[in-house]
Amino acid sequence: AQSVSQHNHHVILSEAASLELGCNYSYGGTVNLFWYVQYPGQHLQLLLKYFSGDPLVKGIKGFEAEFIKSKFSFNLRKPSVQWSDTAEYFCAVNAHNAGNMLTFGGGTRLMVKP
Amino acid sequence: DVKVTQSSRYLVKRTGEKVFLECVQDMDHENMFWYRQDPGLGLRLIYFSYDVKMKEKGDIPEGYSVSREKKERFSLILESASTNQTSMYLCASSSNPGTSGGASGELFFGEGSRLTVL
Repeated sequence: AQSVSQHNHHVILSEAASLELGCNYSYGGTVNLFWYVQYPGQHLQLLLKYFSGDPLVKGIKGFEAEFIKSKFSFNLRKPSVQWSDTAEYFCAVNAHNAGNMLTFGGGTRLMVKP
Repeated sequence: DVKVTQSSRYLVKRTGEKVFLECVQDMDHENMFWYRQDPGLGLRLIYFSYDVKMKEKGDIPEGYSVSREKKERFSLILESASTNQTSMYLCASSSNPGTSGGASGELFFGEGSRLTVL
């Protein structure tokens, strides 16, 4: 079974700092990759996704993620964070042999100081 | 927009009580899921359903059951609640690839139901 690891449980940054959140997965076959975000008091929503093609994926609110197949990684980046990016971020993987099931990482709680 | 609605945002129950958590989606999605979310553990899949009256165990099904009598509704049942079931419960739905513009694995979530078992 696949597993997903997010290396940082808590990240604290000042506004305008650059962000990179790590995500590694364990499945060796073809995958779809996702980042979800949960703002305080809100439901989980899709930030960006990768299915195929260009491994650099751009999402909403200036976020991007790069799929590096050789490293089984899908790290999330943002060049300059804002206070409104304070949220919990979840990486998720759908292995193509797993049907419609997603496996989630443990989440990274980001706090951006104004 | 897809809307996934969970009936209760907050519940407080006593040990041994039966608990029903209801979830309704309005986009005719084939697949529905129940997760629990706990700090540091991310989202763990309890049960999912890919069709009416069909159900499959997820990673942590013990202590839970589900019911899907209609396509739009997926219920999670705790027959006898215990304190270790205190958690945030998330319902999600998705369509099958090639239908409704959906792509494999993309989930749409409800706002969650925070259950406290005393």
